[in-house]
Amino acid sequence: AQSVTQPDIHITVSEGASLELRCNYSYGATPYLFWYVQSPGQGLQLLLKYFSGDTLVQGIKGFEAEFKRSQSSFNLRKPSVHWSDAAEYFCAVGAWDSSYKLIFGSGTRLLVRP
Amino acid sequence: EAGVTQFPSHSVIEKGQTVTLRCDPISGHDNLYWYRRVMGKEIKFLLHFVKESKQDESGMPNNRFLAERTGGTYSTLKVQPAELEDSGVYFCASSQLSRDRVGNTEAFFGQGTRLTVV
Repeated sequence: AQSVTQPDIHITVSEGASLELRCNYSYGATPYLFWYVQSPGQGLQLLLKYFSGDTLVQGIKGFEAEFKRSQSSFNLRKPSVHWSDAAEYFCAVGAWDSSYKLIFGSGTRLLVRP
Repeated sequence: EAGVTQFPSHSVIEKGQTVTLRCDPISGHDNLYWYRRVMGKEIKFLLHFVKESKQDESGMPNNRFLAERTGGTYSTLKVQPAELEDSGVYFCASSQLSRDRVGNTEAFFGQGTRLTVV
């Protein structure tokens, strides 16, 4: 069965520090992978996506993610975190069964220390 | 261009009552999805409309949930009667139809409706 695991429920980093959020997936075919962010009071916003090609994907707000097939991972990174990055981050895989849908992980809440 | 809009943003109802959530997708988006996040858990798929037709409702928890999309525009999700375990955040998303089976059109999400059943 398809699934997405985000092992870190909460992560706290200092402003200006680097960030890596982990995501592992289980999917039988070539995955379509996504990272979404939900800021307080906002909807889910797409940060970046991977369908094929270059395994290092650039997104909005200075985020990037690397697809590693051998590790079934799609970790999200940012070299220098800003206070406005405090939010909840969701990794998702696009999956086909009865129809195309997103399968999400349980989310990682990022706290940023001043 | 207006994004995906959901009403209400919050709803608190008593167990046994009925609640109707509404989603207005982005104009021209034929795909409309409902997802739900129960407290602290993952966001789970509920169902998928293509225009006015239910493409996949495999994620609907039980027959207390009824989704409609009359005319292929806005959608409603009714919970009747509501139970305590229905509490959570209900997200709606819309996307354009893809021309192949890849499904690689971006899904745009609304801000969600937080439902609390007491």
